[in-house]
Amino acid sequence: GQNIDQPTEMTATEGAIVQINCTYQTSGFNGLFWYQQHAGEAPTFLSYNVLDGLEEKGRFSSFLSRSKGYSYLLLKELQMKDSASYLCAVRDGTQYKYIFGTGTRLKVLA
Amino acid sequence: NAGVTQTPKFRVLKTGQSMTLLCAQDMNHEYMYWYRQDPGMGLRLIHYSVGEGTTAKGEVPDGYNVSRLKKQNFLLGLESAAPSQTSVYFCASSLPQSQPQHFGDGTRLSIL
Repeated sequence: GQNIDQPTEMTATEGAIVQINCTYQTSGFNGLFWYQQHAGEAPTFLSYNVLDGLEEKGRFSSFLSRSKGYSYLLLKELQMKDSASYLCAVRDGTQYKYIFGTGTRLKVLA
Repeated sequence: NAGVTQTPKFRVLKTGQSMTLLCAQDMNHEYMYWYRQDPGMGLRLIHYSVGEGTTAKGEVPDGYNVSRLKKQNFLLGLESAAPSQTSVYFCASSLPQSQPQHFGDGTRLSIL
């Protein structure tokens, strides 16, 4: 079967660093995406990994290990506006379909 | 900068009624998708399309039909609405290869 696991909730303090993990088991792999979704809004694209290693985009970084079926999203210098759900999604072997995790709800406290 | 537009944004239906949700994208994307999002379940794929005139079933297609008569539009139909179809529906589109999906703002549908 196809499965993506993420923690349900995390809490962190403004200005801190937080790491959100994602593990996956899918039929084929053609890239892993991270999306941010604020309550009541649409998901928006954050980052993409297809090769092993770290991708950095400002305060956000994402890491991938294909052999371990593992990724993480690292958020630095947390701000209150980073309170949102973070969705991990894998594009499967068909190259058409994306399998989404249930999302990690991050609360940033002052 | 319209991107992906979904109509309507909200709708309340009675059990057994039918309706169509419209998704329109102005980015010339080949691929289009319909998802539903329920608490604790994440985004689940209902149907998708890889080009004009083509559609395919996703993870939870029962009770829904779709059509892609024009490249820019992807319609989702509920033939006979059931309370279990109460959800938030998102449409998304993307280019082929290593491209992210762009999502519409969602349609909040309640079936009584």
